[in-house]
Amino acid sequence: KQEVTQIPAALSVPEGENLVLNCSFTDSAIYNLQWFRQDPGKGLTSLLLIQSSQREQTSGRLNASLDKSSGRSTLYIAASQPGDSATYLCAVPNSGGYQKVTFGIGTKLQVIP
Amino acid sequence: NAGVTQTPKFQVLKTGQSMTLQCAQDMNHNSMYWYRQDPGMGLRLIYYSASEGTTDKGEVPNGYNVSRLNKREFSLRLESAAPSQTSVYFCASSVPGGGEGYTFGSGTRLTVV
Repeated sequence: KQEVTQIPAALSVPEGENLVLNCSFTDSAIYNLQWFRQDPGKGLTSLLLIQSSQREQTSGRLNASLDKSSGRSTLYIAASQPGDSATYLCAVPNSGGYQKVTFGIGTKLQVIP
Repeated sequence: NAGVTQTPKFQVLKTGQSMTLQCAQDMNHNSMYWYRQDPGMGLRLIYYSASEGTTDKGEVPNGYNVSRLNKREFSLRLESAAPSQTSVYFCASSVPGGGEGYTFGSGTRLTVV
């Protein structure tokens, strides 16, 4: 069974700092990994999707990397802003098929002005 | 804007009442999903529909039923609501296999008293 761990569970940083969020998974036979952002009381917004053939994906100040062999993905946020405050979740498909996607519980990020 | 639309956004039910959560997507996705999100437990799959005309149980299907009305619409029904079903419910859609990632609706916050 796929298990997904996100560390840290919560993070508070001053504005402007670069930061890294971690996602670890136990079953490395995945075909992609997706990072989401969730604002309080809102739905999930897709940030980045990394296919298994890729090492990283970039969108603006966000960069996500994937290392299947070690079962890890990182989300790098450059020059953090108060508007980045949210919970960040990673979603990892299970080897059993697309209907079995395991989500991490998330990292709650607070960027202090 | 293209996406996944859920109704209602909020609902309070009394124990034993029934209700249907509606979900519609205009992304021409074949696959649709219902998740629940509870504090400290992450998102858990309730039911999914790989394509129009098919539905299958996910991780936590007890107490729920679903209907894939057409390619666009996928509803979730609580026949006899229980306090344990107090949660935030999310609908999502994807292409078959999830190879292009998942798109989520904004959620329905359900309280059963």
